[in-house]
Amino acid sequence: AQKITQTQPGMFVQEKEAVTLDCTYDTSDPSYGLFWYKQPSSGEMIFLIYQGSYDQQNATEGRYSLNFQKARKSANLVISASQLGDSAMYFCAMREGSNAGNMLTFGGGTRLMVKP
Amino acid sequence: NAGVTQTPKFQVLKTGQSMTLQCAQDMNHEYMSWYRQDPGMGLRLIHYSVGAGITDQGEVPNGYNVSRSTTEDFPLRLLSAAPSQTSVYFCASSKQSATNEKLFFGSGTQLSVL
Repeated sequence: AQKITQTQPGMFVQEKEAVTLDCTYDTSDPSYGLFWYKQPSSGEMIFLIYQGSYDQQNATEGRYSLNFQKARKSANLVISASQLGDSAMYFCAMREGSNAGNMLTFGGGTRLMVKP
Repeated sequence: NAGVTQTPKFQVLKTGQSMTLQCAQDMNHEYMSWYRQDPGMGLRLIHYSVGAGITDQGEVPNGYNVSRSTTEDFPLRLLSAAPSQTSVYFCASSKQSATNEKLFFGSGTQLSVL
């Protein structure tokens, strides 16, 4: 089974509007971390936000927030007030405590396009 | 701050050739890893290391070798390049292999195998 699933291959959002990018995960490990990375057309991987499995509150970083629903195993990224520079690929990823080396497992990504 | 440095940025190989992708980090990170990204897909783990002298296989290790003789360097060797290895390769590091440690990525190497 896929450990990280991103069901939206591509999305459009109007500039200045909010957008939610979906991510569901699959693990039986009680200790895990969830990450979101942004990959612009230039190719680099930019860390956006982190949520730990034991965190009681949803993570926030500026315009980014993570809607963490542990029982549903979802960790959706919310971008408020979209900007043209937000157009990029977005990847959800997980690090599990029991995995040797705690390797990061990635979803297939969502391409976000912000319309002016 | 250099962070994670990968060289080269672009490389074209012929089938059967060998080469080494270089990766160095200056953050004194214990954990280093190599990922490949195929078009339109997420990153898949090739090999990783939790410290100097310790390496292990990831999800897609076939056709690649690694070694970790120092904390700073983690080269990836392609033994006999195949067209299926055409991809973008990312090196990444983190302070340790803990669930809350984010990975720092290099800028990537775009490899084409003809």
